Amino acid sequence: AQKITQTQPGMFVQEKEAVTLDCTYDTSDPSYGLFWYKQPSSGEMIFLIYQGSYDQQNATEGRYSLNFQKARKSANLFISASQLGDSAMYFCAMREALNSGYSTLTFGKGTMLLVSP
Amino acid sequence: GAVVSQHPSWVICKSGTSVKIECRSLDFQATTMFWYRQFPKQSLMLMATSNEGSKATYEQGVEKDKFLINHASLTLSTLTVTSAHPEDSSFYICSASYGGGSPLHFGNGTRLTVT
Repeated sequence: AQKITQTQPGMFVQEKEAVTLDCTYDTSDPSYGLFWYKQPSSGEMIFLIYQGSYDQQNATEGRYSLNFQKARKSANLFISASQLGDSAMYFCAMREALNSGYSTLTFGKGTMLLVSP
Repeated sequence: GAVVSQHPSWVICKSGTSVKIECRSLDFQATTMFWYRQFPKQSLMLMATSNEGSKATYEQGVEKDKFLINHASLTLSTLTVTSAHPEDSSFYICSASYGGGSPLHFGNGTRLTVT
């Protein structure tokens, strides 16, 4: 079973509008972290936002907020007031076993966001 | 914020030659670094976990004799693609973190083309 599922291969939004990118995850580990990364066409991976499994409040970073629904195992990314520079591939990722010292990220397949003028 | 530097950003090499890619954590010590591979329009796939001072841990299906990883210091890991072939052409990207739940910070990636 996939650990991270992003069901939207592509999303279109007009500039200044808000958009939500979906992400669901699967884990039996009580300690995990959820991440969103942005990858523009240049290839670099840009960290956007992080949500820990024990965090009570939804994470926010500027125009980005993470809608964490623990019971539903979803971690959707909300982008308010889209900008042209937001056009990129967006990856949801999960890190399990946080107490083990280190663990890698498992990525979803990504959602391509295109922002039009 | 944490910075990870990866070099070179792109390389073209002939089939049969070897290519070395460097990954450096510039402002923090990374006992663990990760190497990913990404094919066009696909997600990142973990290749191996690089541990400072010990052997790398490779994911299933990744040839450790072909993709040599060396993590000689707390700030440097290298990936060497040995005897490269056209099917090794891909985007290789490294990452590092302080550990625990901190985010992984990524290098800018290396686009390898084998002719």
